[in-house]
Amino acid sequence: EDKVVQSPLSLVVHEGDTVTLNCSYEVTNFRSLLWYKQEKKAPTFLFMLTSSGIEKKSGRLSSILDKKELFSILNITATQTGDSAIYLCAVVRGGSTLGRLYFGRGTQLTVWP
Amino acid sequence: GAVVSQHPSWVICKSGTSVKIECRSLDFQATTMFWYRQFPKQSLMLMATSNEGSKATYEQGVEKDKFLINHASLTLSTLTVTSAHPEDSSFYICSARGGPGTDTQYFGPGTRLTVL
Repeated sequence: EDKVVQSPLSLVVHEGDTVTLNCSYEVTNFRSLLWYKQEKKAPTFLFMLTSSGIEKKSGRLSSILDKKELFSILNITATQTGDSAIYLCAVVRGGSTLGRLYFGRGTQLTVWP
Repeated sequence: GAVVSQHPSWVICKSGTSVKIECRSLDFQATTMFWYRQFPKQSLMLMATSNEGSKATYEQGVEKDKFLINHASLTLSTLTVTSAHPEDSSFYICSARGGPGTDTQYFGPGTRLTVL
């Protein structure tokens, strides 16, 4: 059975801290992995990763994929209260379910001032 | 770019009525759109995959006669909740694939449905 597991499920930090969110997966016919940030409404896209070892970066956020060990991490440096959100990891499979996202349960990040 | 809109953003209706939710890709053509449902403190649950010009593919356990999906154009998909009941109250979110060759899905802002 396909699985996408995120850890930790919740995390509380202070502004300025650096956090690492984890996403491991067991999915047949893996194609890509995506990270989203969800605040009060719908998820907003952060990164899409398809190749191992290539870091994607956007401001204080970065992410990398390890296709051998089947996981990805999302790093946030110098956290701010505006980073408080649920971070979702999702995997796309190839084949007949092409395009469908398989979501993890998410990591609830809370950043205190 | 890659903006997806949903309308309405929230709706309250009486039990037994039908509600239509629209999902539009504003600046790109989306051959595939997806409809999700989300309960409080839970992750998104895929309801159906909608391909332009063809019938939607529903996930197991989702009633296709209750949740009617139409994807008549490359920029518009609609979800109609027929004969809504209080247990249909939820947050409904659509997403659109950013075109062939990309796996990225862009999400609409969601529609909060409350059935009284």
